[in-house]
Amino acid sequence: GENVEQHPSTLSVQEGDSAVIKCTYSDSASNYFPWYKQELGKGPQLIIDIRSNVGEKKDQRIAVTLNKTAKHFSLHITETQPEDSAVYFCAASKTGGGNKLTFGTGTQLKVEL
Amino acid sequence: DVKVTQSSRYLVKRTGEKVFLECVQDMDHENMFWYRQDPGLGLRLIYFSYDVKMKEKGDIPEGYSVSREKKERFSLILESASTNQTSMYLCASSPVKGADGGNTIYFGEGSWLTVV
Repeated sequence: GENVEQHPSTLSVQEGDSAVIKCTYSDSASNYFPWYKQELGKGPQLIIDIRSNVGEKKDQRIAVTLNKTAKHFSLHITETQPEDSAVYFCAASKTGGGNKLTFGTGTQLKVEL
Repeated sequence: DVKVTQSSRYLVKRTGEKVFLECVQDMDHENMFWYRQDPGLGLRLIYFSYDVKMKEKGDIPEGYSVSREKKERFSLILESASTNQTSMYLCASSPVKGADGGNTIYFGEGSWLTVV
């Protein structure tokens, strides 16, 4: 089955700096890669996703890049703000997989003032 | 907005008890999921269902069962709770295919279960 590895497990940045979280996946058939943000005491919420026919996608301060050859994808957050502090999860799934997502182990992002 | 509601946010149960975790979604989604979240392990799939009365095992089904009698409701059952089942449990739902072809799934707020 699919295996998703995520790094780093914790990340601390100064407000205004950029943050990058990286994930690798094992199943070359995976074609959908979402990123979820989980705030304390809440369930994960989708923040951005990318499909295998696209190399990069941006939404305001967040962007995701995908390298299919290397089987890795990354989340980039620019101009970080304190409200970006949360746990971020990457995930992967494939068509016909019943919408089952395999998640990474999460990154605790802390944005310091 | 999609709403996935987990009726119990915090539960404390004794070892050996039968535990029911209930989940309801209001978007007529075909797929529903139960995940378990533990520190350092991320989210792991316990069971999922793609239709009423249909279920499939996920990655860690041992010690759990599920029930889906109605499309909007998906229940997770711990037949005999054990201390190693102390965890946060997340229910989720998704359409078969998203409006833009994606597989977006929507999570509930989670149920914190402590087994003593």
